[in-house]
Amino acid sequence: GQNIDQPTEMTATEGAIVQINCTYQTSGFNGLFWYQQHAGEAPTFLSYNVLDGLEEKGRFSSFLSRSKGYSYLLLKELQMKDSASYLCAVREGQGANNLFFGTGTRLTVIP
Amino acid sequence: EAQVTQNPRYLITVTGKKLTVTCSQNMNHEYMSWYRQDPGLGLRQIYYSMNVEVTDKGDVPEGYKVSRKEKRNFPLILESPSPNQTSLYFCASSPTGFNEKLFFGSGTQLSVL
Repeated sequence: GQNIDQPTEMTATEGAIVQINCTYQTSGFNGLFWYQQHAGEAPTFLSYNVLDGLEEKGRFSSFLSRSKGYSYLLLKELQMKDSASYLCAVREGQGANNLFFGTGTRLTVIP
Repeated sequence: EAQVTQNPRYLITVTGKKLTVTCSQNMNHEYMSWYRQDPGLGLRQIYYSMNVEVTDKGDVPEGYKVSRKEKRNFPLILESPSPNQTSLYFCASSPTGFNEKLFFGSGTQLSVL
């Protein structure tokens, strides 16, 4: 099985940097996704990590350490529109349909 | 435009009245899936389909049915809805169901009274 942990809520200031952590326990780790979800809307894909290290994409970066079962999403130069939930999802094993979601971190950006 | 289309966006119904939530994708994806999302519980998979006429249960299938008669459509059927099925529902698709990102529909907020 899998056990995915994220903080429930975070608050950060506009223009600042925030790091959202995700820890997981799974057998046969095969990749980690981050999705952004605005309230009442569909999740949208942000990033994917399968190897250790940092993946940078504009203001957003995602880091993975497979040995520690740990990932983080880094958001720089925060904007008000970044207020959303951020979902960590872990793929387990080589088969299909093996994606498991954490409960999400609700980020509030304040002026 | 490549998209997953879900309807309706909002639905209020009463206990026991059968309903169908439609889902259609125009990306020729083989894999489609239904999730429900509840506060504090995250996204939980209801059913999924690897291809036409191939469906299987997810983590919370009780009270739901699905069908996959055509590649593009994957309707979710509640034969006899109950209040504990009040939730936000998402349909999602991906090319094969293996290591790819999911494309989500815009969601259906269902309230069962």
